[in-house]
Formats: sequence, structure tokens, C-alpha cells
Amino acid sequence: GAGVSQSPSNKVTEKGKDVELRCDPISGHTALYWYRQSLGQGLEFLIYFQGNSAPDKSGLPSDRFSAERTGGSVSTLTIQRTQQEDSAVYLCASSPQGIQTQYFGPGTRLLVL
Amino acid sequence: DQQVKQNSPSLSVQEGRISILNCDYTNSMFDYFLWYKKYPAEGPTFLISISSIKDKNEDGRFTVFLNKSAKHLSLHIVPSQPGDSAVYFCAASAGSARQLTFGSGTQLTVLP
Repeated sequence: GAGVSQSPSNKVTEKGKDVELRCDPISGHTALYWYRQSLGQGLEFLIYFQGNSAPDKSGLPSDRFSAERTGGSVSTLTIQRTQQEDSAVYLCASSPQGIQTQYFGPGTRLLVL
Repeated sequence: DQQVKQNSPSLSVQEGRISILNCDYTNSMFDYFLWYKKYPAEGPTFLISISSIKDKNEDGRFTVFLNKSAKHLSLHIVPSQPGDSAVYFCAASAGSARQLTFGSGTQLTVLP
């Protein structure tokens, strides 16, 4: 079946602009995660959605970052007033109910000039 | 504070030989561990996992070993193939906290 998809695959923006990144999880997966990977670093957890529960936002680096998940499926990560340090690959993952293994999408490469 | 550490940024191995990738962790609450492989411009691909109730898990050419007392896990790939060349990340999760904590990765190069 189809894996996790993300769009856009690449995004170049100017400092101060807002950006929206989209994630379509694997159909039927109840959990959805956002991570980011800065150059030469490991993956850093951002936010986690599980079903209809309140999301775990403990990894969001600042209040410029927010995410929502509509209808328990598609998720959008929004970065307001982007800064150059926001440049990274933003990765989305999903997992089925009760399963700890997470399946990743290809990522969105964000470059803030 | 890096809770999951991969101290070797790179490793080169001859085709057909064993590749051993290492990972150390500091958080004793971690109870589930995973290895992912990542090719350039792609997302991480799940390889193999292990629960803290086990000390070994095997899947084909891939075996993960867990030493809880040393807070150390390793991934063995045997025999190594050129297609295994990629960045390998170890990751861990703790109890009900579903987010994964990742190491910084090891670039494996398998030489033909």
C-alpha cells in the first residue's frame, strides 16, 4: 500500500515568511509524528498526535511552530515568521494503534534565506 | 544532553564481511529500541527493533543485540553488501512516551 507522503518535497522561503508543510499518513494509522533533522544531526522530535487525544507538543522549539491534524488523518505543520535556523528536513511518521514502530515519509527540505 | 549516542560518524567495511554499528544510551527508562536506515533524499526506513525484555533479535542478515546493564545496543549486518551503504540511526522510546529519541547516525560504506 501507499506509504507516508509529504508535500512539498522542497521549499525555499525568505526569512520572516510563514510556511505550511503537509503530511498524509498511512491509511488506518492512528498515530502521527513530526520530526526535523538539521544538517549533520539526528532526528529531533517535534509533536505527536494519537487519535482524538490532545497532541504532545513538548518538542516544539518555539511558539512560531504549530501543527494540526484534521479528521484524524492529514496533518499540517506551520512555521510562522521563519528564521534561518529553521532550515532543516522536516519528517513525518505514522504508526498503527499499539505499535511502536514508526514509518517515515520522504521529508520536506526547508531552506530559509 | 544526548540521551542516545552513536559515537562513530562513519564506518567502512569490505563486501561480504560483518558490519557492526554501535549505540549507547543514558536514559534507563528506554524500553524499546529501533534501527533505521536512511539513503540521501529519502526518509528513514525501519530495519529492526528490540524490546528491553530481550537481548537479541534477528531478521535475515540483520541482528540487534541489547546489553541493558551497559546501556548499549549494536546492529550486526552479515554479510555486508554494497547496497547496505547508508546512514544508520538508532532510536529509543520510553514506556508510554511514543516519540523516538534518535542518535546522530553512522554512515556505513560497504566497499565492493
